Amino acid sequence: QSVLTQPPSASGTPGQRVTISCSGSSSNIEKNIVNWYQQLPGTAPRLLIYSNTQRPSGVPDRFSGSKSDTSASLTINGLQSDDEADYYCATWDDSLNARVFGGGTKLTV
Amino acid sequence: QVRLQQWGAGHLQPSATLSLTCAVYGGSFSGYYWSWIRQAPGKGLEWLGESNPSVSAIYNPSLKTRVTISMDTSKNQFSLNLRSVTAADTAVYYCARMIVGAVAYDIWGQGTKVTVSS
Repeated sequence: QSVLTQPPSASGTPGQRVTISCSGSSSNIEKNIVNWYQQLPGTAPRLLIYSNTQRPSGVPDRFSGSKSDTSASLTINGLQSDDEADYYCATWDDSLNARVFGGGTKLTV
Repeated sequence: QVRLQQWGAGHLQPSATLSLTCAVYGGSFSGYYWSWIRQAPGKGLEWLGESNPSVSAIYNPSLKTRVTISMDTSKNQFSLNLRSVTAADTAVYYCARMIVGAVAYDIWGQGTKVTVSS
């Protein structure tokens, strides 16, 4: 069981907006940077959002991240069929002294 | 274009040592942290540890007694050793580059599927 809680699934139709949450605590999200990864079926994860809100080069601006207190969110605007993937949040946990990932959210479009 | 290429044994007997190597092509080796992350079948991602040629490695406390990450700067390679494996260590293992400031994994290897069974 991860210390970062994500909904196991989310869904939307093409063109919609979807938000995926990542709930943590004062020992992880509140004090540390949150990153988001996208994992398409059968492939390695891909960095989607870093430093809470920043997009790497090549990531469409349809993807955005935010953080507030002990929670973080990933928002996808203008949902597309190839956004169908697993999404993971990640950060450092000061109590565990470990990098931690959320359990992942399977997005269905 | 930085690329990570990883390899290692795909099938192990219980109690054996898992050994994987990841080669870094096309970029700086010393300026980044290098990590190992795994994913058990149908499960999420689990951080195993990370290191840099200049500092000591840090490991996931849950695996600390069994895992070692080593660096070979002459070959731009880093390796993972996981001792005394069990079926619970069956997973796809990924190597990854970590951007220090963002603490984010921006480049990933292709993954190596490792199965532990007798």
